[in-house]
Amino acid sequence: NAGVTQTPKFRVLKTGQSMTLLCAQDMNHEYMYWYRQDPGMGLRLIHYSVGEGTTAKGEVPDGYNVSRLKKQNFLLGLESAAPSQTSVYFCASSYFGGLEQYFGPGTRLTVT
Amino acid sequence: AQKITQTQPGMFVQEKEAVTLDCTYDTSDQSYGLFWYKQPSSGEMIFLIYQGSYDEQNATEGRYSLNFQKARKSANLVISASQLGDSAMYFCAMREGAGANSKLTFGKGITLSVRP
Repeated sequence: NAGVTQTPKFRVLKTGQSMTLLCAQDMNHEYMYWYRQDPGMGLRLIHYSVGEGTTAKGEVPDGYNVSRLKKQNFLLGLESAAPSQTSVYFCASSYFGGLEQYFGPGTRLTVT
Repeated sequence: AQKITQTQPGMFVQEKEAVTLDCTYDTSDQSYGLFWYKQPSSGEMIFLIYQGSYDEQNATEGRYSLNFQKARKSANLVISASQLGDSAMYFCAMREGAGANSKLTFGKGITLSVRP
């Protein structure tokens, strides 16, 4: 089992460009999450999904959109990147809400 | 108010000794859970241990144990017999409530350095 994978691992964007981060899990988990990690801030929840076809806002959703068209995939989109979105992005999944979450390796995004 | 507080700026421990990493939390829920994750320099987040609010016994997983003091709202991680590979950032997290909308709130983390 690969667990949780994220694509790409690194990306540099110019302000205003768009991109999509892909998260895939092969553990048949219902719940999936997107976090961002900034120095001194811990992890903050961007969006999450409680099942295929569902999405919900987390703590810091502005500037991001998500989709969960297939159970195993959770996409995070930036429509118009801003330097404030420079961060490390983590995807996670869990079998059910409130259980331990399993994390992907992270995507380091720089917006110039 | 912060839901999860990790105030130790950085911790140092001698190899083979035990170390305690502090975590205090704030919630009015009766049902909640506390998690600890490890983030080594390679960046991945590794789940270490979980304690439910109704669990009467402190959770243990190998060299990790969670010192759960409900009245004081603390959930400290104890690492026994520290190893060089324990050098990492450690995050405490809390799940409030249960079911579909329960989510994790993370603390800001503590850096642990193990000295040989």
